[in-house]
Amino acid sequence: AQSVTQLDSQVPVFEEAPVELRCNYSSSVSVYLFWYVQYPNQGLQLLLKYLSGSTLVKGINGFEAEFNKSQTSFHLRKPSVHISDTAEYFCAVTAENYGGSQGNLIFGKGTKLSVKP
Amino acid sequence: GAGVSQSPRYKVAKRGQDVALRCDPISGHVSLFWYQQALGQGPEFLTYFQNEAQLDKSGLPSDRFFAERPEGSVSTLKIQRTQQEDSAVYLCASSPGAYQETQYFGPGTRLLVL
Repeated sequence: AQSVTQLDSQVPVFEEAPVELRCNYSSSVSVYLFWYVQYPNQGLQLLLKYLSGSTLVKGINGFEAEFNKSQTSFHLRKPSVHISDTAEYFCAVTAENYGGSQGNLIFGKGTKLSVKP
Repeated sequence: GAGVSQSPRYKVAKRGQDVALRCDPISGHVSLFWYQQALGQGPEFLTYFQNEAQLDKSGLPSDRFFAERPEGSVSTLKIQRTQQEDSAVYLCASSPGAYQETQYFGPGTRLLVL
């Protein structure tokens, strides 16, 4: 079974400052990793995903994440945040090659990013 | 093109009522997932369809929850005899194929059971 831990439930940051949202996972099998963003009263939007290849993944809106297998981490970063980045961010995992039958996501509890002017 | 849509967006039910939540996936998408998101929590998996076949319902919390996708497109999640603990946002997601592809989420249905 897989599990995801997002270490920070809330992260306040000033506009134009850098930010890192932390995500650790546990799994007995290889995994695919995802970051989703949820704006108020909206569904989840994919920011980026790691399936294979380069461990540094670039996503939309200037976000990037680095897969670290030895530390079982997939932290999300942005060098300079905007007010519009205020939202809740979810890290998720699914087992790689899950018997070819599905790929349901296991989510962390989320991190609320609050960008202040 | 059109994304995943869900209806109603908000539903208030009295305890004991039955409710039906609808999901319209992206046209042609093979896989369809239902998730439950309680307040302050991440989404939790409920059930999975591949076309019309329900291949996994291990996340359904009780036998009061029932889902169907009879023609392999629109899906309905039904909750019978609603309880206060059923209050949550119910998210639907679809993906093009059957293997770990990106899931596209709908806006969710917020259910409040009084």
